[in-house]
Amino acid sequence: QQQVKQSPQSLIVQKGGISIINCAYENTAFDYFPWYQQFPGKGPALLIAIRPDVSEKKEGRFTISFNKSAKQFSLHIMDSQPGDSATYFCAAGSGGSNYKLTFGKGTLLTVNP
Amino acid sequence: EAQVTQNPRYLITVTGKKLTVTCSQNMNHEYMSWYRQDPGLGLRQIYYSMNVEVTDKGDVPEGYKVSRKEKRNFPLILESPSPNQTSLYFCASSPRTLGETQYFGPGTRLLVL
Repeated sequence: QQQVKQSPQSLIVQKGGISIINCAYENTAFDYFPWYQQFPGKGPALLIAIRPDVSEKKEGRFTISFNKSAKQFSLHIMDSQPGDSATYFCAAGSGGSNYKLTFGKGTLLTVNP
Repeated sequence: EAQVTQNPRYLITVTGKKLTVTCSQNMNHEYMSWYRQDPGLGLRQIYYSMNVEVTDKGDVPEGYKVSRKEKRNFPLILESPSPNQTSLYFCASSPRTLGETQYFGPGTRLLVL
C-alpha cells in the first residue's frame, strides 16, 4: 500500500518557468511533510518542509502548498533554473513514538536552458 | 566537517555471503536510519534508531538487521544476501526527532549475484 503518491514521474520545464510537483497522502496521522532534492550520485538533501498548521511555506524560489482537507501538498519551483535539474521526493511522517518517514516515488525534473 | 559516512561505497557479492555496511555520523545525532532506493520505487525505510540500543522496523525490514551500540554508528547487516537486495542504500541521521533535518550519507551501491 503506497501511502504517499507523487506525480508526475518526470517533468521537463524551460528555464524561467514554474515547476510543480504534487503529492497526496492517505494517513491522517502524518504531521510533517518534507521535500528532498537529489542530484545524481548524491544522497537526498532536505529542501523545504511544512507542518499542517500552515497552508503555505516559501523559501526563496521554492514554495510548499498544503491542503489538509484534500490530503495533498505540492512543491512549486519559481523561475526554474538548469541547476534545479534533479530528482525530487516528497515525504510524510508523524512524530510521537513513530519516527518513520514515507517517501513518494520521486519526480525527475529537467530544466532546459 | 559534519557528515554521514558509509562504507563501502560499492560492493559486489554473492548470494548468501554475509555482509555489513557501516554508517557513522560525527554530529552527535540521536536519530539514524537506513533506506534503500530502487528505480521507480523511491526511498523506502529499512530500519531506524531513536538512540543507542533503541531500534525499530521501517517499511521493508525483511532480510536486514541493525544494531546501535554507539551513538555515532549504525551498521546495516545482511546475514544472507539475495539478488532482490541489490539496491542503492542510504544512511541518514538527524539531531533528535522527526521534523529536524535528516542528513544523508553518500550511498552504498550493492550488487548481489
